[in-house]
Amino acid sequence: GAVVSQHPSWVICKSGTSVKIECRSLDFQATTMFWYRQFPKQSLMLMATSNEGSKATYEQGVEKDKFLINHASLTLSTLTVTSAHPEDSSFYICSAGRTGESNQPQHFGDGTRLSIL
Amino acid sequence: GDSVTQMEGPVTLSEEAFLTINCTYTATGYPSLFWYVQYPGEGLQLLLKATKADDKGSNKGFEATYRKETTSFHLEKGSVQVSDSAVYFCALGYNNNDMRFGAGTRLTVKP
Repeated sequence: GAVVSQHPSWVICKSGTSVKIECRSLDFQATTMFWYRQFPKQSLMLMATSNEGSKATYEQGVEKDKFLINHASLTLSTLTVTSAHPEDSSFYICSAGRTGESNQPQHFGDGTRLSIL
Repeated sequence: GDSVTQMEGPVTLSEEAFLTINCTYTATGYPSLFWYVQYPGEGLQLLLKATKADDKGSNKGFEATYRKETTSFHLEKGSVQVSDSAVYFCALGYNNNDMRFGAGTRLTVKP
């Protein structure tokens, strides 16, 4: 079946560091990928929609200069948390759907737990 | 806008008990409906889905029926196991676009 790989699964770093998270669709092409953020014991909140070959679309309230998204190929999207601070600590999850398939579920990565000291 | 409302947890059951987790939605169109499960420290796994009214999704003993008249998609299982302990998310989505999730319901099953 379709698989989405997310890397790394866990990051601990100092305040001020920039962190890059990768999301790969392993056996299908994904024109669009989605990045979500999940706070402890809460639901997933959509941060942005990553579009291959064009700029990402950010949800209201999400700082695009803080959370840089690059979708350079049909199988890879990256989220870079720039100059991370403790309040950026969270669980980040990406998802992707097969291009051209409607009414099919998104496939989710296993998530990245980001801890900023 | 579209939204999903789930029953609040946590839910604690004994093994072999009957499970119901309520989910209702509001939608401007005709979305597909999903239940996802999240085990501790992991991402989301699709549990089941339904793409149109009256469809029933089922998997691993879990079932949910897409009820347009009551805008509901309640999750049920006749006999839960300890291994079913997880957080369950109800969600809606259109044509591979972004999804809207409920708040999640934490289920704990005790032996």
